[in-house]
Formats: sequence, structure tokens, C-alpha cells
Amino acid sequence: DQQVKQNSPSLSVQEGRISILNCDYTNSMFDYFLWYKKYPAEGPTFLISISSIKDKNEDGRFTVFLNKSAKHLSLHIVPSQPGDSAVYFCAASGKGGTSYGKLTFGQGTILTVHP
Amino acid sequence: NAGVTQTPKFQVLKTGQSMTLQCAQDMNHNSMYWYRQDPGMGLRLIYYSASEGTTDKGEVPNGYNVSRLNKREFSLRLESAAPSQTSVYFCASSKDSSYNEQFFGPGTRLTVL
Repeated sequence: DQQVKQNSPSLSVQEGRISILNCDYTNSMFDYFLWYKKYPAEGPTFLISISSIKDKNEDGRFTVFLNKSAKHLSLHIVPSQPGDSAVYFCAASGKGGTSYGKLTFGQGTILTVHP
Repeated sequence: NAGVTQTPKFQVLKTGQSMTLQCAQDMNHNSMYWYRQDPGMGLRLIYYSASEGTTDKGEVPNGYNVSRLNKREFSLRLESAAPSQTSVYFCASSKDSSYNEQFFGPGTRLTVL
């Protein structure tokens, strides 16, 4: 039972264009969402997060959008740079139930930004 | 600050052998976690320790044991390794279990033959 899903295994984008990575979730108890970035042979690093009381959070070139009614979030990277090429993981956590204090991860999307 | 460190970086075991993966953090975090990453599966939680002296099972605990040795260190033990445990293992830590942002180590790539 995959509670957090990233249905696109990979995404290829031209440098300077927008990258949009998508994530869907099924557990209504999730109320905090995070994006992690992972380079080969390294651990994931935190990128940006959003609480369920918001629908948008920005940090420089990165913006996360949350649509609670659709149980969908997306990460926008504008403009995309070759150094953004990595695996991006969506993760979710909740304040109650079995999801408290734990992160549930999606499968990841490999982003490739071409010069 | 080294952040989260893991040893070893690579390990090859034969079926039935045992080993312990070590993890340490120097951020004075209360909570620590062990994940495994498999192709197409994302990261799955094996065990976690909300605070020193406590440990709890995650999503995929079978075949593993953990020890929270002190506030800094959290080890993962495979008593009798199986090929299905071939994976990349990540340790992570956070300020406490109510704080969502987790900091990850570089990982241990384990192959069980």
C-alpha cells in the first residue's frame, strides 16, 4: 500500500526551463510534506517543505504547491539548472496515528537538466 | 560538524552472516532512524528511536535489530543476512520525533550473496 506516490520515474528538462515534479498521497492524516534531493552515492538532503495549513511555499528557485482536496503536491524549479539533476523524493508525515514522527517516502523521480 | 556519519560505506556478506551497521550524529538530536532504499521503492523505515532509551519498529523491521547505544549512536544489526536484505541503508536524525526535517548520512551499500 503505497501511501505516497510519485508516478513519474523520470523527467528531462532543458536548462532555463521549468521543472515540475508531482506527488500524490492517500493518507488523510498527513499534514506536513517535504521534498528531498539526492545525488548518487550521497544521502538525501532536505530541500523544501509545506504544512497543510498552507497551499504554497517558496524558497528561491523552488516552490512547493499543495492541493489538499486532490491530495496532490508539486515541486516547481524555475529556472532549472544542470546542477539540479538528481533524484527527488516527496515525503509526508502526520501529527497523529501511525504516521506520527515518521516520514513516508515516495519512490522518487530522476530529474535530468540538459545544458 | 560531521552531521550524520555511517560505517562501513560498502559491505559484502554471504547468506547467514551477521553484521552491524554503525551510525552516529553530532547535532545533539533526540530522534534517529534507519531506512533502506531499494530500486523503485523509495526509502522505507526499518526502525526508529524517538529518544535515547526507546526504539520502535517501522514499516519493514523483519530480519533486523537496533540498539540506541547513547544519544549520539544508533546501530542496525543483521543477525542472519539474506539476499533480500541487499540494499542501500541510510541512517537519519532529527531534533525530536515531532520535528519533521530529518538529516541523512551518506549510506551503506550492502550486498548479500
